Amino acid sequence: NAGVTQTPKFQVLKTGQSMTLQCAQDMNHEYMSWYRQDPGMGLRLIHYSVGAGITDQGEVPNGYNVSRSTTEDFPLRLLSAAPSQTSVYFCASSYSSGGPRSVDEQFFGPGTRLTVL
Amino acid sequence: AQSVSQHNHHVILSEAASLELGCNYSYGGTVNLFWYVQYPGQHLQLLLKYFSGDPLVKGIKGFEAEFIKSKFSFNLRKPSVQWSDTAEYFCAVNEAYNNNDMRFGAGTRLTVKP
Repeated sequence: NAGVTQTPKFQVLKTGQSMTLQCAQDMNHEYMSWYRQDPGMGLRLIHYSVGAGITDQGEVPNGYNVSRSTTEDFPLRLLSAAPSQTSVYFCASSYSSGGPRSVDEQFFGPGTRLTVL
Repeated sequence: AQSVSQHNHHVILSEAASLELGCNYSYGGTVNLFWYVQYPGQHLQLLLKYFSGDPLVKGIKGFEAEFIKSKFSFNLRKPSVQWSDTAEYFCAVNEAYNNNDMRFGAGTRLTVKP
């Protein structure tokens, strides 16, 4: 298994440009999520999905869109990039969305380092 | 929503020293607790997790953590660190009955001197 893959690894954008960060997993996991990692702030949840066709907002959703048309893929879209979106983005997945007391381990991708000028 | 505090931003130890990294959370209900580690250039990976039972949890690579409910804490410990433990460590929490929203602490960077 490839696990969780993310593309691209690095990206530089100009303010106002749009782009999509790709995330795919081959473990048949129901739950997928996007985080951003900023110095001194840890990881913050942007959006998550508990299955194909179902998405919801996390802690910092503004400026980002997601969709989940298949179990495997969970792309993150920046419609109009801003310098405040300069960060490292991680995609993660886990076997199930939970339900009471579920403690499934999240598997993380390698990250995408995004710079917005 | 809950929040997670890791008070140590950067810890520097010599090999064989003992380690304790602090983690406190703010949610008053039932929680699931995790420690993740990110080695240089690698993905985040799970060290250990707690959801019920024995509050002393053992994880991989000799790490353990103790859940103290009265203190809202889940501190990570290792009796004797190695150079290979140099990494960033993240504490994470989610609510036990609404666990889609995982909250991470800011992380603690551990440097172990050989």
